[in-house]
Amino acid sequence: EAGVVQSPRYKIIEKKQPVAFWCNPISGHNTLYWYRQNLGQGPELLIRYENEEAVDDSQLPKDRFSAERLKGVDSTLKIQPAELGDSAVYLCASSLDGVPVYNEQFFGPGTRLTVL
Amino acid sequence: EDQVTQSPEALRLQEGESSSLNCSYTVSGLRGLFWYRQDPGKGPEFLFTLYSAGEEKEKERLKATLTKKESFLHITAPKPEDSATYLCAVPKTGNQFYFGTGTSLTVIP
Repeated sequence: EAGVVQSPRYKIIEKKQPVAFWCNPISGHNTLYWYRQNLGQGPELLIRYENEEAVDDSQLPKDRFSAERLKGVDSTLKIQPAELGDSAVYLCASSLDGVPVYNEQFFGPGTRLTVL
Repeated sequence: EDQVTQSPEALRLQEGESSSLNCSYTVSGLRGLFWYRQDPGKGPEFLFTLYSAGEEKEKERLKATLTKKESFLHITAPKPEDSATYLCAVPKTGNQFYFGTGTSLTVIP
């Protein structure tokens, strides 16, 4: 069974440029998460989707970050414009339906973003 | 304030030298504690979930335990392939997961 797929794996951009990350969750997983992981830190949740609905986006910096999950499958996370402090690894994870505390999250390999 | 603290930050062991990693938390009303393993350049990989004090779970050379204030990940006779960063996470209100900063484990042959 294929795991969570993310692309690109690496991205280097100049500050103020836009960037987008794509995630394809495990088939049948209706809950999708986007996390940001800074070097030497644990992942921090940016947004959680239940199907197409964003049910937890309190940590998403909405002035420059946006996300969408059309048709409740693939998801895209966008940053516009990017700032130097956005350099991090952006992780996508998915899990089965239901209360997240009872469902294992499966993580993708992440996209390493470098903003110059 | 809810907090999750992992110690030590880094640990170097000789192959076969058993040790323990610690995850302490101050989340009220704990609804579970999760352990993940993360290899360089990869996303975290689920290891265990513990739901109540006194619970223990094992997988190969790893054993996770939970008390009312902390969890331990015991590594028995580690091998070089156990080298990784080990993260613990607890759910906060609203089903967000709060991850610790991790313990970087290096097992030397």
